[in-house]
Amino acid sequence: QKEVEQDPGPLSVPEGAIVSLNCTYSNSAFQYFMWYRQYSRKGPELLMYTYSSGNKEDGRFTAQVDKSSKYISLFIRDSQPSDSATYLCAMTATNFGNEKLTFGTGTRLTIIP
Amino acid sequence: GAVVSQHPSRVICKSGTSVKIECRSLDFQATTMFWYRQFPKQSLMLMATSNEGSKATYEQGVEKDKFLINHASLTLSTLTVTSAHPEDSSFYICSGVRTYDQPQHFGDGTRLSIL
Repeated sequence: QKEVEQDPGPLSVPEGAIVSLNCTYSNSAFQYFMWYRQYSRKGPELLMYTYSSGNKEDGRFTAQVDKSSKYISLFIRDSQPSDSATYLCAMTATNFGNEKLTFGTGTRLTIIP
Repeated sequence: GAVVSQHPSRVICKSGTSVKIECRSLDFQATTMFWYRQFPKQSLMLMATSNEGSKATYEQGVEKDKFLINHASLTLSTLTVTSAHPEDSSFYICSGVRTYDQPQHFGDGTRLSIL
């Protein structure tokens, strides 16, 4: 079993819909959680990062962490065609920065105009 | 802030040549830099972690003599693929960390094709 599980998709939704992206994990030591967006042939771009459980909102994006269920989510409201990309969850145990990240496999998302 | 620049973005070269990829943190000092490799439709695979002025720490299965990493300053790390072969063709991505309480920021990657 992988440490981090993420549905690879592909996921297609109509423009304007709410998108829900999820990851589950098995290592209860993980405390730092990140979501990256990766466009084709580009490097990952940091979207959101959270520590421990709870919600964090930034514009159209909301990140949720439920440590009791070992489950994290990223919600995208009012989805736009420009949101079409691969979304990677990542997590670590000790700190955000100089520790090796454990990634999900990424979910390929397409927003249909 | 936290911009990481990678150069070149694309390299095509003949088998047997060595290729150097640069990773620069443009607006911060990167205490730690990471090098990843990514195959099509797959997630990132960590190759090595480097700290300024120290030898890089390589992940299991990564040949340190094949993939030479130098982190000579707080804003520059280089990855040299020595005597490259077609199986080394891949997308190589670096990331930098400003402080331990900030996440990694990634460059835009280098697409390496060995003919």
